[in-house]
Amino acid sequence: DQQVKQNSPSLSVQEGRISILNCDYTNSMFDYFLWYKKYPAEGPTFLISISSIKDKNEDGRFTVFLNKSAKHLSLHIVPSQPGDSAVYFCAAWTSGTYKYIFGTGTRLKVLA
Amino acid sequence: NAGVTQTPKFQVLKTGQSMTLQCAQDMNHNSMYWYRQDPGMGLRLIYYSASEGTTDKGEVPNGYNVSRLNKREFSLRLESAAPSQTSVYFCASSDGRTGTDTQYFGPGTRLTVL
Repeated sequence: DQQVKQNSPSLSVQEGRISILNCDYTNSMFDYFLWYKKYPAEGPTFLISISSIKDKNEDGRFTVFLNKSAKHLSLHIVPSQPGDSAVYFCAAWTSGTYKYIFGTGTRLKVLA
Repeated sequence: NAGVTQTPKFQVLKTGQSMTLQCAQDMNHNSMYWYRQDPGMGLRLIYYSASEGTTDKGEVPNGYNVSRLNKREFSLRLESAAPSQTSVYFCASSDGRTGTDTQYFGPGTRLTVL
């Protein structure tokens, strides 16, 4: 039972354009969401997060949107750069637990 | 400040062999975690330690044991390795005092069980 789903295994975008990565979840108890970025042969690194009481959080070129009614979040990268090519994982957290639930990841390729 | 370190980086085992994966963090974090990453499966939590002296099972604990040796170190042991345990293993740590902790990951251990 996959509580956090990333239905697109891969995405290719031209440099300078917008990248949109999507994540759906099923558990309405999740109250915190995060995006991690992973390069080959490295561990995931934290990118951006959002609390369930917000619908948008922005950090430079990265913006995360949360639609609680649809149980959907998305990560927008504008403008996309070749260095953004990586695997992106969304993760969800419930207060009072110590467990993130991770999605399966989306491999983003930004074409120069 | 090294963050989260893991040893070894690579390991090949034969079925039935045992080994321990080591993890250490220098950020004075309370909570530590072990994940495995498999193709198409994302990151799955094996075990975690919310604080020194405590450990709990995650999603996929079967075939593994853990030890929180002290606040810095959290090891993962495979008593009798199986080919299904071929994976990349990541250790992570977090402050553990709030519900919005960022987890910091080590570089991973790539394990192959033949």
